[in-house]
Amino acid sequence: EIVMTQSPATLSVSPGERATLSCRASQSVRSNLAWYQQKPGQAPRLLMYGASTRATGIPPRFSGSGFGTEFTLTISSLQSEDFAVYYCQQYNNWPPYTFGQGTKLEIK
Amino acid sequence: QVQVVQSGAEVKTPGASVKVSCKASGYTFTSYGISWVRQAPGQGLEWMGWITTYNGDTNYAQNLQGRVTMTTDTSTSTAYMELRSLRSDDTAVYYCARGASLGYFDYWGQGTLVTVSS
Repeated sequence: EIVMTQSPATLSVSPGERATLSCRASQSVRSNLAWYQQKPGQAPRLLMYGASTRATGIPPRFSGSGFGTEFTLTISSLQSEDFAVYYCQQYNNWPPYTFGQGTKLEIK
Repeated sequence: QVQVVQSGAEVKTPGASVKVSCKASGYTFTSYGISWVRQAPGQGLEWMGWITTYNGDTNYAQNLQGRVTMTTDTSTSTAYMELRSLRSDDTAVYYCARGASLGYFDYWGQGTLVTVSS
């Protein structure tokens, strides 16, 4: 089973600033990585797939990068609606599909 | 537009079973798989399994093998997840999600809270 590790667990950033979230895989997942955003009381929402392709309707301030075992989600200029929990998920080797434990992005 | 709508909250006693439904609309149901993902209170996301909707093939998480069954009714574009021998640590929000062919999940249901308590 591929273990996904996200860092940091909590990230405090001011609105308008840049946020950088990391995700590491225990073995290569090539570019088969997705990112999700989850707000309290809501279902996860797909942000990114293929490590760097934005899902439908996702604004360009969200960008993804990485290949193999190291991945990054960057939010270039934080808006109030971006404060949420973010999960990465690998879909290269399954079953099982595996998620990271999440990064909580909070307002500084 | 794509919609995925789940059944309502359930309260069960330990040892009982629960069956959650997931009705899809706005796309050809058999062109995409369905995964089930659960989230215990205050915790992260746990993948439970996948069903290939056009032929019913399933893959389950190892820790749920023998307790979980996923099925579909293609005539109503509905997927089902049944979990048996419920324990208190099965208390969670259960989500169904449409699976793109590569394996990420692009549309999610609203979630179904299953509470297991004596």
